[in-house]
Order: sequence, then C-alpha cells, then structure tokens
Amino acid sequence: GAVVSQHPSWVICKSGTSVKIECRSLDFQATTMFWYRQFPKQSLMLMATSNEGSKATYEQGVEKDKFLINHASLTLSTLTVTSAHPEDSSFYICSARQELGTEAFFGQGTRLTVV
Amino acid sequence: DQQVKQNSPSLSVQEGRISILNCDYTNSMFDYFLWYKKYPAEGPTFLISISSIKDKNEDGRFTVFLNKSAKHLSLHIVPSQPGDSAVYFCAATSNTGKLIFGQGTTLQVKP
Repeated sequence: GAVVSQHPSWVICKSGTSVKIECRSLDFQATTMFWYRQFPKQSLMLMATSNEGSKATYEQGVEKDKFLINHASLTLSTLTVTSAHPEDSSFYICSARQELGTEAFFGQGTRLTVV
Repeated sequence: DQQVKQNSPSLSVQEGRISILNCDYTNSMFDYFLWYKKYPAEGPTFLISISSIKDKNEDGRFTVFLNKSAKHLSLHIVPSQPGDSAVYFCAATSNTGKLIFGQGTTLQVKP
C-alpha cells in the first residue's frame, strides 16, 4: 500500500508552547488529508479535512485557532497545536487519500504529551 | 451521535478458529466501508473494504460482509492467527470523503 509518513512519532512539550506535526505522502499525491485525534481506548475522531491549496474544514467542536492546519503541497500537511495544554495530550493521526473513492492511508501517529 | 458502532469492545478466539467482528451504522448515505487494524501507538493499517453495491468482498483470510438493509457489516478472519491480535476499527464514508470510525474491537487470538 501507499506510504504516509508522520513526524515526530512522539513529543513532549511544556504547557503554553506550540507543537508542529508533519504528515507526508511519500509515493503518491494526496489531494485530501485528514487529521484525527484518539483518546485512550476510544475511536479515532476526525478533527479536520484539508485539501491542497485551500483552507481546512474543521469538525464541530474543534478550535481552528488552536489546531492550525496547513496543506501547502500535494505531499505535505501540517498540524500545529498552539499554546498547548495538558488536555491536548493525545494521539494524533493523519491520513492521506489520492482521490475520492480510494482508501485512505494513515501515518504512524504522533503521541503528544503536554506537561 | 455515533454513526458507526462496534458494540463489542473485545473478542477472544482460539488460534485456527474463525473471528467475527461486527459493525453497525446509522447513516444511509454511507456507500463505502473499510476495516483497519491498529496496534498500540501506531497508525491504523488498511485491511479490506467493500462498496455498498456489493454484499461480500474476500481477500485471503479476510472477508467482509455487508447487509445494507440491516445497516450491518462484519469482518471474518479465518483461520485466526496470534498475529491477528490487535484493535480492529470499521469505518464508513460517503461522497464527502470523511471517514467515520467505530469505537474499535480488541481481538485476542490465543495460541
């Protein structure tokens, strides 16, 4: 299957700082990338959908000013958690899809711990 | 509002037997369904999918069945192997392209 690389795989940051997570599609051009968040023993919750070159569409209840998403190219999307707080600690996963109707491939995930 | 539900949080089967994981959905607009396998602290990996125009799709040891009238799908793994032990998520999507996930079922295959 296609490869999606997510970096970093884990990060610890101090409360109040910002953290950037990268998601890259390595062998295909991703017209759409998705960002998910997973709390322990819970499902993956979609945070936002981003299409290359346009603003991300956020799900209800997700603060767009806190979770900044940039999809500047067909192979790279970034999620920046701004002014992180301990409650933002979670497992963040990106997925990328080449075109509508094809399956999405997932990155390895990033475990964020805010202390 | 949980549009995709996996009502069994865990399942334990003996090696060599069949594992059946179930998933129900409520949104009749869903037209494509997928199963993912996930290990702790890793991203999900795609297993198998099925379009709403089909009722069965088979790939090796994995078969997915779809019952549209009941809004139910299931994943059959036969024979089950210890390496299949993981969390399995079903997901559904419509023409929006968004994947909506169930809560996951933890499968344990005992040697």
